[in-house]
Amino acid sequence: AQSVAQPEDQVNVAEGNPLTVKCTYSVSGNPYLFWYVQYPNRGLQFLLKYITGDNLVKGSYGFEAEFNKSQTSFHLKKPSALVSDSALYFCAVRDMDSGNTPLVFGKGTRLSVIA
Amino acid sequence: GAVVSQHPSWVICKSGTSVKIECRSLDFQATTMFWYRQFPKQSLMLMATSNEGSKATYEQGVEKDKFLINHASLTLSTLTVTSAHPEDSSFYICSAYPLGRGSTDTQYFGPGTRLTVL
Repeated sequence: AQSVAQPEDQVNVAEGNPLTVKCTYSVSGNPYLFWYVQYPNRGLQFLLKYITGDNLVKGSYGFEAEFNKSQTSFHLKKPSALVSDSALYFCAVRDMDSGNTPLVFGKGTRLSVIA
Repeated sequence: GAVVSQHPSWVICKSGTSVKIECRSLDFQATTMFWYRQFPKQSLMLMATSNEGSKATYEQGVEKDKFLINHASLTLSTLTVTSAHPEDSSFYICSAYPLGRGSTDTQYFGPGTRLTVL
Protein backbone atom coordinates (compact mmCIF):
# COMPACT_ATOMS: atom_id res chain seq x y z
CA ALA A 1 0.00 0.00 0.00
CA GLN A 2 1.10 3.53 -0.70
CA SER A 3 0.82 6.42 1.71
CA VAL A 4 1.98 9.97 2.20
CA ALA A 5 2.42 11.87 5.44
CA GLN A 6 2.52 15.63 5.70
CA PRO A 7 3.13 16.15 9.40
CA GLU A 8 2.31 19.86 9.48
CA ASP A 9 -1.20 21.17 8.95
CA GLN A 10 0.08 24.74 8.80
CA VAL A 11 3.43 26.38 8.12
CA ASN A 12 3.95 30.07 8.75
CA VAL A 13 6.94 31.93 7.38
CA ALA A 14 7.92 35.54 6.95
CA GLU A 15 8.28 36.91 3.46
CA GLY A 16 11.87 36.60 2.25
CA ASN A 17 12.69 33.74 4.57
CA PRO A 18 13.33 30.20 3.36
CA LEU A 19 10.43 27.78 3.60
CA THR A 20 10.19 24.02 3.97
CA VAL A 21 7.07 21.88 3.70
CA LYS A 22 7.66 18.33 4.87
CA CYS A 23 6.60 15.09 3.23
CA THR A 24 7.39 11.45 3.87
CA TYR A 25 6.11 8.53 1.87
CA SER A 26 5.69 4.79 1.84
CA VAL A 27 5.56 2.57 -1.26
CA SER A 28 6.37 -1.06 -1.88
CA GLY A 29 8.50 -0.36 -4.93
CA ASN A 30 10.27 2.69 -6.28
CA PRO A 31 8.37 5.97 -5.92
CA TYR A 32 7.21 8.63 -8.28
CA LEU A 33 6.86 11.72 -6.07
CA PHE A 34 4.96 14.92 -6.79
CA TRP A 35 4.14 18.28 -5.29
CA TYR A 36 0.99 20.16 -6.22
CA VAL A 37 -0.30 23.54 -5.07
CA GLN A 38 -3.94 24.53 -4.68
CA TYR A 39 -5.25 28.07 -4.46
CA PRO A 40 -8.72 28.73 -3.00
CA ASN A 41 -11.55 27.22 -5.04
CA ARG A 42 -9.14 26.04 -7.69
CA GLY A 43 -7.86 22.70 -8.91
CA LEU A 44 -4.37 21.40 -8.31
CA GLN A 45 -1.42 22.88 -10.13
CA PHE A 46 1.63 20.72 -10.76
CA LEU A 47 4.82 22.08 -9.17
CA LEU A 48 7.46 19.42 -9.60
CA LYS A 49 8.12 15.71 -9.64
CA TYR A 50 10.82 13.18 -8.92
CA ILE A 51 10.99 10.22 -11.24
CA THR A 52 14.65 9.22 -11.33
CA GLY A 53 18.08 10.80 -11.51
CA ASP A 54 19.23 13.82 -9.54
CA ASN A 55 17.79 13.85 -6.02
CA LEU A 56 17.31 17.61 -6.12
CA VAL A 57 14.39 18.52 -8.33
CA LYS A 58 13.64 22.06 -9.42
CA GLY A 59 10.14 23.10 -10.31
CA SER A 60 7.85 26.01 -10.97
CA TYR A 61 7.92 29.37 -9.17
CA GLY A 62 11.35 28.78 -7.64
CA PHE A 63 10.35 25.71 -5.68
CA GLU A 64 12.57 22.68 -5.32
CA ALA A 65 12.40 19.37 -3.51
CA GLU A 66 14.97 16.84 -2.41
CA PHE A 67 14.39 13.14 -2.66
CA ASN A 68 15.94 11.26 0.23
CA LYS A 69 15.54 7.54 -0.17
CA SER A 70 17.00 6.56 3.20
CA GLN A 71 14.61 8.87 5.03
CA THR A 72 11.76 8.26 2.57
CA SER A 73 11.26 11.99 2.38
CA PHE A 74 10.52 14.54 -0.32
CA HIS A 75 10.47 17.93 1.38
CA LEU A 76 9.46 21.00 -0.61
CA LYS A 77 11.68 24.05 -0.29
CA LYS A 78 12.07 27.59 -1.50
CA PRO A 79 14.97 29.89 -0.63
CA SER A 80 12.91 33.05 -0.31
CA ALA A 81 9.16 32.95 0.32
CA LEU A 82 6.67 35.32 -1.30
CA VAL A 83 3.27 36.33 0.01
CA SER A 84 1.82 34.92 -3.21
CA ASP A 85 3.14 31.48 -2.24
CA SER A 86 0.43 31.28 0.42
CA ALA A 87 -1.69 28.29 -0.56
CA LEU A 88 -2.41 24.64 0.19
CA TYR A 89 0.37 22.24 -0.78
CA PHE A 90 -0.06 18.53 -1.44
CA CYS A 91 2.59 15.87 -1.66
CA ALA A 92 1.67 12.75 -3.65
CA VAL A 93 3.18 9.40 -4.49
CA ARG A 94 2.71 6.57 -6.92
CA ASP A 95 4.55 3.28 -7.17
CA MET A 96 6.71 3.33 -10.29
CA ASP A 97 5.57 -0.14 -11.29
CA SER A 98 1.85 0.43 -10.82
CA GLY A 99 0.99 1.78 -14.27
CA ASN A 100 -1.55 4.56 -14.67
CA THR A 101 -2.92 4.31 -11.18
CA PRO A 102 -4.06 7.43 -9.38
CA LEU A 103 -1.80 9.37 -7.10
CA VAL A 104 -2.07 8.98 -3.35
CA PHE A 105 -2.12 12.34 -1.63
CA GLY A 106 -1.06 13.60 1.74
CA LYS A 107 -3.58 15.58 3.76
CA GLY A 108 -2.07 18.88 2.67
CA THR A 109 -0.13 21.65 4.37
CA ARG A 110 -1.36 25.19 4.41
CA LEU A 111 1.45 27.64 3.85
CA SER A 112 1.01 31.18 5.07
CA VAL A 113 3.63 33.73 4.10
CA ILE A 114 3.43 36.88 6.15
CA ALA A 115 4.57 40.22 4.81
CA GLY B 1 1.16 21.73 -21.41
CA ALA B 2 -1.67 19.33 -20.75
CA VAL B 3 -4.93 21.09 -19.95
CA VAL B 4 -7.97 19.61 -18.26
CA SER B 5 -11.22 21.56 -18.09
CA GLN B 6 -14.34 21.04 -16.02
CA HIS B 7 -17.83 22.33 -16.56
CA PRO B 8 -19.55 23.83 -14.74
CA SER B 9 -17.12 25.48 -12.38
CA TRP B 10 -19.86 25.82 -9.82
CA VAL B 11 -23.45 24.69 -9.53
CA ILE B 12 -26.25 25.14 -7.04
CA CYS B 13 -29.16 22.72 -7.16
CA LYS B 14 -32.17 21.66 -5.14
CA SER B 15 -32.18 18.50 -3.11
CA GLY B 16 -33.40 15.54 -5.16
CA THR B 17 -32.20 16.78 -8.52
CA SER B 18 -29.35 15.36 -10.58
CA VAL B 19 -26.25 17.24 -11.62
CA LYS B 20 -23.83 16.38 -14.41
CA ILE B 21 -20.20 17.49 -14.29
CA GLU B 22 -18.02 17.27 -17.39
CA CYS B 23 -14.29 16.69 -17.46
CA ARG B 24 -12.44 17.26 -20.71
CA SER B 25 -8.83 16.86 -21.71
CA LEU B 26 -8.33 19.74 -24.13
CA ASP B 27 -5.02 18.95 -25.80
CA PHE B 28 -4.47 15.28 -25.12
CA GLN B 29 -6.29 11.98 -25.03
CA ALA B 30 -6.77 9.92 -21.92
CA THR B 31 -7.99 6.36 -21.59
CA THR B 32 -8.16 6.84 -17.85
CA MET B 33 -9.52 9.73 -15.84
CA PHE B 34 -9.97 10.02 -12.11
CA TRP B 35 -12.65 11.69 -10.03
CA TYR B 36 -11.83 13.10 -6.63
CA ARG B 37 -13.87 14.75 -3.96
CA GLN B 38 -12.50 17.34 -1.59
CA PHE B 39 -14.12 18.55 1.60
CA PRO B 40 -13.21 21.95 3.04
CA LYS B 41 -9.67 22.08 4.33
CA GLN B 42 -9.14 18.41 3.59
CA SER B 43 -7.22 16.34 1.12
CA LEU B 44 -8.49 14.80 -2.08
CA MET B 45 -10.42 11.59 -1.75
CA LEU B 46 -10.39 9.35 -4.81
CA MET B 47 -13.94 8.41 -5.75
CA ALA B 48 -13.50 6.40 -8.92
CA THR B 49 -11.38 5.62 -11.93
CA SER B 50 -13.08 6.31 -15.23
CA ASN B 51 -12.09 4.01 -18.09
CA GLU B 52 -12.85 4.88 -21.72
CA GLY B 53 -15.25 2.38 -23.20
CA SER B 54 -15.77 0.39 -20.03
CA LYS B 55 -17.26 0.62 -16.58
CA ALA B 56 -15.75 2.85 -13.96
CA THR B 57 -13.98 1.42 -10.96
CA TYR B 58 -15.28 2.81 -7.70
CA GLU B 59 -13.42 3.13 -4.44
CA GLN B 60 -14.74 1.42 -1.38
CA GLY B 61 -17.61 3.30 0.19
CA VAL B 62 -18.54 5.26 -2.95
CA GLU B 63 -22.06 4.51 -4.19
CA LYS B 64 -21.86 3.74 -7.89
CA ASP B 65 -25.60 4.21 -8.35
CA LYS B 66 -25.40 7.67 -6.89
CA PHE B 67 -22.25 8.83 -8.64
CA LEU B 68 -22.65 7.74 -12.26
CA ILE B 69 -19.53 7.94 -14.37
CA ASN B 70 -19.42 7.77 -18.14
CA HIS B 71 -16.21 7.91 -20.18
CA ALA B 72 -17.61 8.10 -23.68
CA SER B 73 -14.51 9.24 -25.52
CA LEU B 74 -10.79 9.68 -25.07
CA THR B 75 -11.31 13.33 -24.11
CA LEU B 76 -14.49 13.34 -22.05
CA SER B 77 -15.62 11.84 -18.78
CA THR B 78 -18.79 12.83 -16.96
CA LEU B 79 -19.82 12.48 -13.34
CA THR B 80 -23.54 12.61 -12.59
CA VAL B 81 -24.61 13.07 -9.00
CA THR B 82 -28.08 11.55 -8.91
CA SER B 83 -30.76 12.63 -6.45
CA ALA B 84 -28.36 15.03 -4.82
CA HIS B 85 -28.62 15.82 -1.14
CA PRO B 86 -26.94 18.50 0.97
CA GLU B 87 -24.30 16.02 2.14
CA ASP B 88 -23.18 15.70 -1.49
CA SER B 89 -22.12 19.33 -1.45
CA SER B 90 -18.41 19.34 -2.11
CA PHE B 91 -15.62 20.26 -4.48
CA TYR B 92 -15.26 17.68 -7.25
CA ILE B 93 -12.00 17.47 -9.17
CA CYS B 94 -11.10 15.31 -12.15
CA SER B 95 -7.67 14.40 -13.46
CA ALA B 96 -6.04 12.42 -16.25
CA TYR B 97 -2.80 11.03 -17.57
CA PRO B 98 -1.94 11.96 -21.17
CA LEU B 99 -1.97 9.04 -23.58
CA GLY B 100 0.94 8.50 -25.91
CA ARG B 101 3.01 11.43 -24.71
CA GLY B 102 6.07 9.35 -24.05
CA SER B 103 5.63 9.89 -20.35
CA THR B 104 2.61 9.01 -18.33
CA ASP B 105 4.07 10.20 -15.09
CA THR B 106 2.28 13.46 -14.45
CA GLN B 107 -1.37 13.52 -13.52
CA TYR B 108 -3.07 16.71 -14.67
CA PHE B 109 -6.01 18.15 -12.80
CA GLY B 110 -9.08 20.10 -13.78
CA PRO B 111 -9.98 23.34 -11.99
CA GLY B 112 -12.71 21.67 -9.97
CA THR B 113 -16.49 22.02 -9.69
CA ARG B 114 -18.09 23.39 -6.56
CA LEU B 115 -21.44 21.67 -5.96
CA THR B 116 -23.88 23.12 -3.45
CA VAL B 117 -27.09 21.23 -2.79
CA LEU B 118 -29.79 23.20 -1.03
